[in-house]
Amino acid sequence: ETGVTQTPRHLVMGMTNKKSLKCEQHLGHNAMYWYKQSAKKPLELMFVYNFKEQTENNSVPSRFSPECPNSSHLFLHLHTLQPEDSALYLCASSQRSVATNEKLFFGSGTQLSVL
Amino acid sequence: AQTVTQSQPEMSVQEAETVTLSCTYDTSESDYYLFWYKQPPSRQMILVIRQEAYKQQNATENRFSVNFQKAAKSFSLKISDSQLGDAAMYFCAYRSARFGAGGTSYGKLTFGQGTILTVHP
Repeated sequence: ETGVTQTPRHLVMGMTNKKSLKCEQHLGHNAMYWYKQSAKKPLELMFVYNFKEQTENNSVPSRFSPECPNSSHLFLHLHTLQPEDSALYLCASSQRSVATNEKLFFGSGTQLSVL
Repeated sequence: AQTVTQSQPEMSVQEAETVTLSCTYDTSESDYYLFWYKQPPSRQMILVIRQEAYKQQNATENRFSVNFQKAAKSFSLKISDSQLGDAAMYFCAYRSARFGAGGTSYGKLTFGQGTILTVHP
Protein backbone atom coordinates (compact mmCIF):
# COMPACT_ATOMS: atom_id res chain seq x y z
CA GLU A 1 0.00 0.00 0.00
CA THR A 2 1.65 3.16 -1.16
CA GLY A 3 1.25 6.35 0.85
CA VAL A 4 0.64 8.32 -2.35
CA THR A 5 -2.22 7.19 -4.57
CA GLN A 6 -2.77 8.38 -8.13
CA THR A 7 -5.80 7.86 -10.33
CA PRO A 8 -6.39 6.95 -13.02
CA ARG A 9 -3.46 4.67 -13.70
CA HIS A 10 -3.88 5.06 -17.46
CA LEU A 11 -5.62 7.76 -19.47
CA VAL A 12 -6.17 8.16 -23.19
CA MET A 13 -7.62 11.44 -24.35
CA GLY A 14 -8.16 13.40 -27.50
CA MET A 15 -6.73 16.85 -27.98
CA THR A 16 -10.10 18.51 -27.41
CA ASN A 17 -10.96 16.59 -24.24
CA LYS A 18 -10.86 17.86 -20.67
CA LYS A 19 -9.71 15.45 -18.01
CA SER A 20 -8.25 15.55 -14.51
CA LEU A 21 -5.55 13.57 -12.74
CA LYS A 22 -5.95 12.98 -9.05
CA CYS A 23 -3.38 12.46 -6.33
CA GLU A 24 -3.98 11.71 -2.68
CA GLN A 25 -1.38 11.32 0.03
CA HIS A 26 -2.04 9.48 3.28
CA LEU A 27 1.19 10.45 4.99
CA GLY A 28 0.23 13.70 6.68
CA HIS A 29 2.67 15.66 4.53
CA ASN A 30 2.39 19.38 3.91
CA ALA A 31 3.90 19.63 0.42
CA MET A 32 2.87 18.05 -2.86
CA TYR A 33 4.41 18.03 -6.33
CA TRP A 34 3.67 17.18 -9.95
CA TYR A 35 6.48 15.75 -12.04
CA LYS A 36 6.41 14.84 -15.74
CA GLN A 37 8.33 11.81 -17.02
CA SER A 38 8.64 11.72 -20.80
CA ALA A 39 10.27 8.93 -22.74
CA LYS A 40 14.03 9.34 -22.94
CA LYS A 41 14.00 12.56 -20.93
CA PRO A 42 14.74 13.27 -17.27
CA LEU A 43 11.87 13.84 -14.89
CA GLU A 44 10.77 17.44 -14.92
CA LEU A 45 9.26 19.29 -11.99
CA MET A 46 6.00 20.97 -12.97
CA PHE A 47 4.38 22.37 -9.84
CA VAL A 48 5.01 22.59 -6.12
CA TYR A 49 2.39 23.19 -3.45
CA ASN A 50 3.31 24.02 0.12
CA PHE A 51 0.45 24.11 2.63
CA LYS A 52 -2.00 24.29 -0.30
CA GLU A 53 -0.24 27.31 -1.79
CA GLN A 54 1.51 27.04 -5.13
CA THR A 55 5.13 27.96 -4.61
CA GLU A 56 6.57 26.86 -7.92
CA ASN A 57 5.39 26.77 -11.51
CA ASN A 58 8.19 25.55 -13.68
CA SER A 59 7.09 27.39 -16.85
CA VAL A 60 4.32 24.89 -17.49
CA PRO A 61 1.87 25.68 -20.34
CA SER A 62 -1.54 26.91 -19.24
CA ARG A 63 -3.24 23.82 -20.69
CA PHE A 64 -2.07 22.20 -17.44
CA SER A 65 -3.93 23.61 -14.46
CA PRO A 66 -3.14 22.34 -10.96
CA GLU A 67 -5.44 22.49 -7.98
CA CYS A 68 -4.67 21.76 -4.35
CA PRO A 69 -7.84 21.98 -2.23
CA ASN A 70 -6.11 20.70 0.90
CA SER A 71 -2.78 19.27 1.98
CA SER A 72 -3.84 15.72 1.14
CA HIS A 73 -5.18 16.17 -2.37
CA LEU A 74 -3.67 17.44 -5.59
CA PHE A 75 -5.25 17.58 -9.01
CA LEU A 76 -3.93 18.28 -12.47
CA HIS A 77 -6.62 19.53 -14.84
CA LEU A 78 -5.89 18.94 -18.51
CA HIS A 79 -7.44 20.63 -21.54
CA THR A 80 -6.57 20.97 -25.23
CA LEU A 81 -3.43 18.92 -24.80
CA GLN A 82 -0.95 18.14 -27.55
CA PRO A 83 0.43 14.72 -28.52
CA GLU A 84 3.82 15.74 -27.08
CA ASP A 85 2.15 15.97 -23.67
CA SER A 86 1.92 12.18 -23.63
CA ALA A 87 3.98 11.08 -20.64
CA LEU A 88 3.90 9.57 -17.18
CA TYR A 89 2.72 12.13 -14.65
CA LEU A 90 4.02 11.50 -11.17
CA CYS A 91 2.74 12.99 -7.96
CA ALA A 92 4.91 13.21 -4.87
CA SER A 93 4.62 14.49 -1.34
CA SER A 94 6.98 15.42 1.47
CA GLN A 95 7.00 16.90 4.93
CA ARG A 96 8.78 20.21 4.64
CA SER A 97 11.19 20.76 7.45
CA VAL A 98 14.36 22.64 8.22
CA ALA A 99 15.85 19.28 9.10
CA THR A 100 17.97 17.65 6.44
CA ASN A 101 16.09 14.40 6.24
CA GLU A 102 13.20 15.54 4.04
CA LYS A 103 12.25 12.77 1.63
CA LEU A 104 9.95 12.67 -1.36
CA PHE A 105 7.39 9.88 -1.60
CA PHE A 106 6.06 9.19 -5.07
CA GLY A 107 2.89 7.67 -6.41
CA SER A 108 2.80 5.17 -9.27
CA GLY A 109 1.86 7.79 -11.80
CA THR A 110 -0.76 8.26 -14.49
CA GLN A 111 0.34 7.15 -17.96
CA LEU A 112 -1.24 9.71 -20.28
CA SER A 113 -1.64 9.25 -24.03
CA VAL A 114 -2.88 12.17 -26.11
CA LEU A 115 -4.23 11.22 -29.52
CA ALA B 1 21.34 25.68 -13.24
CA GLN B 2 22.23 22.24 -12.04
CA THR B 3 22.45 19.30 -14.40
CA VAL B 4 22.67 15.58 -13.74
CA THR B 5 24.08 13.14 -16.27
CA GLN B 6 23.81 9.38 -16.33
CA SER B 7 25.97 8.15 -19.19
CA GLN B 8 24.83 4.53 -19.11
CA PRO B 9 21.37 4.09 -20.68
CA GLU B 10 21.44 0.38 -19.89
CA MET B 11 23.42 -1.95 -17.65
CA SER B 12 23.18 -5.63 -16.90
CA VAL B 13 24.48 -7.85 -14.13
CA GLN B 14 24.36 -11.49 -13.15
CA GLU B 15 22.47 -12.39 -10.03
CA ALA B 16 24.72 -12.25 -6.94
CA GLU B 17 27.29 -10.12 -8.74
CA THR B 18 28.13 -6.45 -8.20
CA VAL B 19 27.27 -3.59 -10.53
CA THR B 20 28.09 0.11 -10.46
CA LEU B 21 25.90 2.79 -11.98
CA SER B 22 27.51 6.12 -12.85
CA CYS B 23 26.26 9.63 -12.27
CA THR B 24 27.91 13.02 -12.68
CA TYR B 25 26.46 16.39 -11.91
CA ASP B 26 27.26 20.02 -12.41
CA THR B 27 26.65 22.69 -9.81
CA SER B 28 28.23 25.83 -8.44
CA GLU B 29 26.81 25.21 -4.98
CA SER B 30 28.78 23.77 -2.12
CA ASP B 31 25.92 22.36 -0.10
CA TYR B 32 23.41 19.98 -1.64
CA TYR B 33 21.96 16.49 -1.50
CA LEU B 34 22.27 13.62 -3.93
CA PHE B 35 19.90 10.72 -4.31
CA TRP B 36 19.45 7.46 -6.13
CA TYR B 37 15.89 6.48 -6.90
CA LYS B 38 14.67 3.16 -8.24
CA GLN B 39 11.66 2.87 -10.55
CA PRO B 40 10.49 -0.73 -10.99
CA PRO B 41 7.81 -1.73 -13.53
CA SER B 42 5.18 -0.65 -10.99
CA ARG B 43 6.39 2.88 -11.89
CA GLN B 44 6.59 4.08 -8.30
CA MET B 45 9.82 5.93 -7.60
CA ILE B 46 11.49 4.53 -4.50
CA LEU B 47 14.33 6.22 -2.66
CA VAL B 48 17.34 3.90 -2.54
CA ILE B 49 19.98 6.04 -0.88
CA ARG B 50 20.88 9.64 -0.21
CA GLN B 51 24.09 11.55 0.41
CA GLU B 52 24.64 14.94 2.02
CA ALA B 53 27.40 16.83 0.25
CA TYR B 54 28.90 18.07 3.52
CA LYS B 55 29.51 14.50 4.64
CA GLN B 56 32.72 12.92 3.46
CA GLN B 57 31.65 9.44 4.43
CA ASN B 58 29.92 7.51 1.68
CA ALA B 59 26.34 6.51 2.41
CA THR B 60 25.40 2.84 2.62
CA GLU B 61 22.07 1.06 2.85
CA ASN B 62 22.43 -2.69 3.12
CA ARG B 63 23.57 -3.89 -0.34
CA PHE B 64 23.58 -0.38 -1.76
CA SER B 65 26.48 2.02 -1.37
CA VAL B 66 27.70 5.13 -3.10
CA ASN B 67 31.07 6.48 -4.13
CA PHE B 68 30.77 10.23 -3.67
CA GLN B 69 33.61 12.24 -5.17
CA LYS B 70 32.73 15.87 -4.49
CA ALA B 71 35.66 17.42 -6.32
CA ALA B 72 34.96 15.34 -9.39
CA LYS B 73 31.20 15.85 -9.01
CA SER B 74 30.66 12.15 -9.29
CA PHE B 75 28.11 10.03 -7.45
CA SER B 76 28.05 6.36 -8.41
CA LEU B 77 25.82 3.64 -6.98
CA LYS B 78 27.17 0.19 -6.22
CA ILE B 79 24.78 -2.69 -5.85
CA SER B 80 26.32 -5.75 -4.24
CA ASP B 81 24.92 -9.29 -4.35
CA SER B 82 22.45 -8.25 -7.05
CA GLN B 83 18.99 -9.74 -6.84
CA LEU B 84 16.29 -10.19 -9.45
CA GLY B 85 14.20 -7.63 -7.60
CA ASP B 86 16.86 -5.01 -8.24
CA ALA B 87 15.90 -4.89 -11.91
CA ALA B 88 14.51 -1.42 -12.53
CA MET B 89 15.26 2.01 -13.91
CA TYR B 90 17.64 3.90 -11.63
CA PHE B 91 17.70 7.67 -11.44
CA CYS B 92 20.32 9.90 -9.94
CA ALA B 93 18.97 13.18 -8.57
CA TYR B 94 20.26 16.43 -7.11
CA ARG B 95 18.66 18.85 -4.67
CA SER B 96 20.02 22.17 -3.52
CA ALA B 97 20.39 22.73 0.20
CA ARG B 98 19.46 26.39 -0.25
CA PHE B 99 15.91 27.53 0.06
CA GLY B 100 14.22 30.80 -0.60
CA ALA B 101 11.07 32.34 0.82
CA GLY B 102 8.54 29.65 1.58
CA GLY B 103 11.16 26.92 1.36
CA THR B 104 10.86 26.72 -2.38
CA SER B 105 13.79 24.47 -3.01
CA TYR B 106 12.43 21.63 -0.94
CA GLY B 107 11.51 18.70 -3.11
CA LYS B 108 12.87 20.36 -6.23
CA LEU B 109 14.87 17.47 -7.56
CA THR B 110 16.89 17.57 -10.76
CA PHE B 111 17.02 14.11 -12.27
CA GLY B 112 19.35 12.33 -14.66
CA GLN B 113 18.07 10.46 -17.70
CA GLY B 114 18.04 7.12 -15.94
CA THR B 115 19.81 3.77 -16.31
CA ILE B 116 17.88 0.59 -17.00
CA LEU B 117 19.34 -2.24 -14.94
CA THR B 118 18.71 -5.83 -16.01
CA VAL B 119 19.53 -8.67 -13.63
CA HIS B 120 20.16 -12.06 -15.23
CA PRO B 121 19.46 -15.24 -13.22
